Amino acid sequence: GIQVEQSPPDLILQEGANSTLRCNFSDSVNNLQWFHQNPWGQLINLFYIPSGTKQNGRLSATTVATERYSLLYISSSQTTDSGVYFCAVRGSNYKLTFGKGTLLTVNP
Amino acid sequence: DSGVTQTPKHLITATGQRVTLRCSPRSGDLSVYWYQQSLDQGLQFLIQYYNGEERAKGNILERFSAQQFPDLHSELNLSSLELGDSALYFCASSDTGGANTEAFFGQGTRLTVV
Repeated sequence: GIQVEQSPPDLILQEGANSTLRCNFSDSVNNLQWFHQNPWGQLINLFYIPSGTKQNGRLSATTVATERYSLLYISSSQTTDSGVYFCAVRGSNYKLTFGKGTLLTVNP
Repeated sequence: DSGVTQTPKHLITATGQRVTLRCSPRSGDLSVYWYQQSLDQGLQFLIQYYNGEERAKGNILERFSAQQFPDLHSELNLSSLELGDSALYFCASSDTGGANTEAFFGQGTRLTVV
């Protein structure tokens, strides 16, 4: 099956800093999603982005499908951005495969 | 709010027992997925249903079973529970269940087996 690798595994920032999270995947995909898991465990949809670039407020994402990677940008980070960020991909089957996530801690 | 409803939010039960987790998909979604999140295994796909039929199966134990009912809600049944079954169980839904659709997750059911 498809392998998904996320980096870095952990990231500590000061409030106001910018960051880039990376997701590499091992095969062509039909679907790529970014999620934020908050400290209460809830998985929140950030982007559905099988290719191209999207922006939503301080967050943006870019997927280069031909090179099998996606990037999530967080600008002017806030303490509420803390949590785990997951990348998940779906290939030719129906299973959404998750990476191990990036644990982001934003300090005030 | 994703629109996917899971009940209960928390469940504490003893080893050897059986529990049922319930999921109501977003309005209009035909496909539901079940995932297990444990500390050592991450988010693991268990099973997917589309319009009442099983579509894909992942790492689901034989002690676990699921079904999707005509009203499209789904239930995940976990039996002969072991300590290692303690985890956060998520349900997700999507409109068609195809490879190109966006999945939305419920808040999860946190299962603790003691």
